[in-house]
Amino acid sequence: EDKVVQSPLSLVVHEGDTVTLNCSYEVTNFRSLLWYKQEKKAPTFLFMLTSSGIEKKSGRLSSILDKKELFSILNITATQTGDSAIYLCAAEPLSNFGNEKLTFGTGTRLTIIP
Amino acid sequence: SAVISQKPSRDICQRGTSLTIQCQVDSQVTMMFWYRQQPGQSLTLIATANQGSEATYESGFVIDKFPISRPNLTFSTLTVSNMSPEDSSIYLCSVGGSGGKHTEAFFGQGTRLTVV
Repeated sequence: EDKVVQSPLSLVVHEGDTVTLNCSYEVTNFRSLLWYKQEKKAPTFLFMLTSSGIEKKSGRLSSILDKKELFSILNITATQTGDSAIYLCAAEPLSNFGNEKLTFGTGTRLTIIP
Repeated sequence: SAVISQKPSRDICQRGTSLTIQCQVDSQVTMMFWYRQQPGQSLTLIATANQGSEATYESGFVIDKFPISRPNLTFSTLTVSNMSPEDSSIYLCSVGGSGGKHTEAFFGQGTRLTVV
């Protein structure tokens, strides 16, 4: 059975701090690892990682995948109160249809204190 | 990208009743996915809805409780039947890329269901 584990479960930091969120996975026929930010209901897409060792960046957020050790990290630098959210990672297996169902981790609840 | 319109956004329902959630996609997609997120939990896949065939349910979910329709390539419904307070959750529909393109999954706005 596919499995995704995130840590920590929750994290409280002060504005301006840097945080690192962790995601490990066990997926048969792994294809990609995705990160989402969930503030209210619908998750919003952050990154899709398919290749090992290549960092993806978007502003203060960055992420990297290690396919040998089966994990990914999401870094947020100079955190702001708007970064407060649940961060979800999800693993996607290979599929003949283009996209397959995702297995989600439990999420990390990040709280940024002003 | 895909834009998904999901409704209702939220509802409060009496136990024993049923609620049907709709998702409309702005492009044709092969597969649509229905997730549940119970309070404080992550997203759990309920079923995969394929056009022209019965939905494929994950372990722990059955068609009698969560019937799904997929009449065409842009629309699907999920019904939560004979509701109990344990069904109080956020329900999300999702699609992947269309035309075999590998993209991120797109989500509807979600339905927050409270059963009283």
